[in-house]
Amino acid sequence: DTEVTQTPKHLVMGMTNKKSLKCEQHMGHRAMYWYKQKAKKPPELMFVYSYEKLSINESVPSRFSPECPNSSLLNLHLHALQPEDSALYLCASSQRLAGGDGELFFGEGSRLTVL
Amino acid sequence: LAKTTQPISMDSYEGQEVNITCSHNNIATNDYITWYQQFPSQGPRFIIQGYKTKVTNEVASLFIPADRKSSTLSLPRVSLSDTAVYYCLVGGFSGSARQLTFGSGTQLTVLP
Repeated sequence: DTEVTQTPKHLVMGMTNKKSLKCEQHMGHRAMYWYKQKAKKPPELMFVYSYEKLSINESVPSRFSPECPNSSLLNLHLHALQPEDSALYLCASSQRLAGGDGELFFGEGSRLTVL
Repeated sequence: LAKTTQPISMDSYEGQEVNITCSHNNIATNDYITWYQQFPSQGPRFIIQGYKTKVTNEVASLFIPADRKSSTLSLPRVSLSDTAVYYCLVGGFSGSARQLTFGSGTQLTVLP
């Protein structure tokens, strides 16, 4: 199994809603990532977890709250979002912290629309 | 943090070889160079990775000169299905954190 599965594929939420994006991998990877991608822009790194611990937070607003319950799961909790937060949210995993040698495996993304 | 520069777009015809260059002037000693392909509304997909000289796999080649300040992704005999955005990614240790910065991406359009 070489897949990263993200749910839901599409999410529409109001600015007062609380929702969560979920990501799952069963490749035994110990690093997991959240990226945000706006239309026609490159993915922007948001958070990195390594061995279930938050390793990198790229100064992301607190209305985005990541959680890594175990080595296979990564959640992104959303609360009080703004319309400008509408984007494709991508989850990725790697065997260990990548950036040196190592490949990132990406999910298909969750398309978020904030009304 | 290594910043990368790529052409915004490139056009090619089916069957041609395509070379996409990425500049990364301040690449660090332990940074690797990785290329990803992305189709609309999908996550990026790994193509190839290298540190120096030349790397080849079943889909592409990666050329890295000795100074490592640039790299060139070579796609042999492209087809229509190779139309996608190609990202150059440079990263490695930065103190206690590894940082992964995507370049602006190159939109490759393959024409019949």
